[in-house]
Amino acid sequence: EDQVTQSPEALRLQEGESSSLNCSYTVSGLRGLFWYRQDPGKGPEFLFTLYSAGEEKEKERLKATLTKKESFLHITAPKPEDSATYLCAVQAGEGGGADGLTFGKGTHLIIQP
Amino acid sequence: DVKVTQSSRYLVKRTGEKVFLECVQDMDHENMFWYRQDPGLGLRLIYFSYDVKMKEKGDIPEGYSVSREKKERFSLILESASTNQTSMYLCASSLPPGMRTEAFFGQGTRLTVV
Repeated sequence: EDQVTQSPEALRLQEGESSSLNCSYTVSGLRGLFWYRQDPGKGPEFLFTLYSAGEEKEKERLKATLTKKESFLHITAPKPEDSATYLCAVQAGEGGGADGLTFGKGTHLIIQP
Repeated sequence: DVKVTQSSRYLVKRTGEKVFLECVQDMDHENMFWYRQDPGLGLRLIYFSYDVKMKEKGDIPEGYSVSREKKERFSLILESASTNQTSMYLCASSLPPGMRTEAFFGQGTRLTVV
């Protein structure tokens, strides 16, 4: 069974204080690992897709990296508007079916001014 | 930009009612999905569809059914709503399998069953 574990569950940082969120996964044949941002009461907003170990993607203050067992979302000099829940998801399996994503439970990030 | 639109942001229904949640996407995506999201449990897949009139059960299909009569529209049906189906429901769409790509989500429908 595919499993995705995110840590920490919650993280409170001061504005400008850089940190990393972790997503560890156990899947049979990773097709892709996805990061989403979710604001309260809204649907998840796509951030990044990573396909293979060693791959990195960047967007503004966010950088996602991938190894064979985990992914990190690095947040550099965060601002209060970066406060949100960050979700990690994997798409797995080696068949051709339209398998849904398996999600972690998310990291609730709060950036204090 | 990809747009996935869910018909309602908030719904309140009575126990035993038949409930329809509608989702429309405008990017000609083959795949569509329904998830529910609950505190402490995260997002869980209810059903997905990879083509018109095709459907597959996800992890928690009990108490739900789906309909996909047109490519752009995917409906979630609660045949007889119960209080344990109170939740946030999220629809998503993506390109076909074999093309490694992300899923795009709608804004969510918060359903309360009383």
